[in-house]
Amino acid sequence: GAGVSQSPSNKVTEKGKDVELRCDPISGHTALYWYRQSLGQGLEFLIYFQGNSAPDKSGLPSDRFSAERTGGSVSTLTIQRTQQEDSAVYLCASSFHVGAQYFGPGTRLLVL
Amino acid sequence: SQQGEEDPQALSIQEGENATMNCSYKTSINNLQWYRQNSGRGLVHLILIRSNEREKHSGRLRVTLDTSKKSSSLLITASRAADTASYFCATDESGGGADGLTFGKGTHLIIQP
Repeated sequence: GAGVSQSPSNKVTEKGKDVELRCDPISGHTALYWYRQSLGQGLEFLIYFQGNSAPDKSGLPSDRFSAERTGGSVSTLTIQRTQQEDSAVYLCASSFHVGAQYFGPGTRLLVL
Repeated sequence: SQQGEEDPQALSIQEGENATMNCSYKTSINNLQWYRQNSGRGLVHLILIRSNEREKHSGRLRVTLDTSKKSSSLLITASRAADTASYFCATDESGGGADGLTFGKGTHLIIQP
């Protein structure tokens, strides 16, 4: 079946602009995760959604980051007023139960 | 923050040989998972071992877990060129998902044909 999909695959933006990243989880998966992977920080957990429950936002790196999940399915990660240090690959994952996570191909973000 | 630390950071072996990667972590865990990543893109789940398990097998993969030493190892037997990738261990502390997975920095494995 279809895996986790993310869009766009690549995004180049100018410093100060807002960007929106999208994640479509595997159908039926109730849990959805966002991670960030950068050279300096490795893989970093950002936020977790379980169904329609409100997420714990404490893992988000700053208040410029926000995420939502509509209808317990598609999720968007929004970065406002992007900075160069936001450049990274943003990975989304989903799972049916707690355990193995299924990752999307990621969005490679470059902030100039 | 990084919890798992893989060792070695890079490993190059000949095709057909076995590859062993180690992972150490710092806190108590519910389970530990190993993932593979090709070309810096999406990660592929390989195997999950729970805190009350000591060893697990999946095909050519063998994972061990020693909770007293807070360490795990991943063994890939009879390596193939297609095994060339980065391998990450990831710990799940709560088992409830809310903390996400904490990844190590990875071992870059190169299989020489």
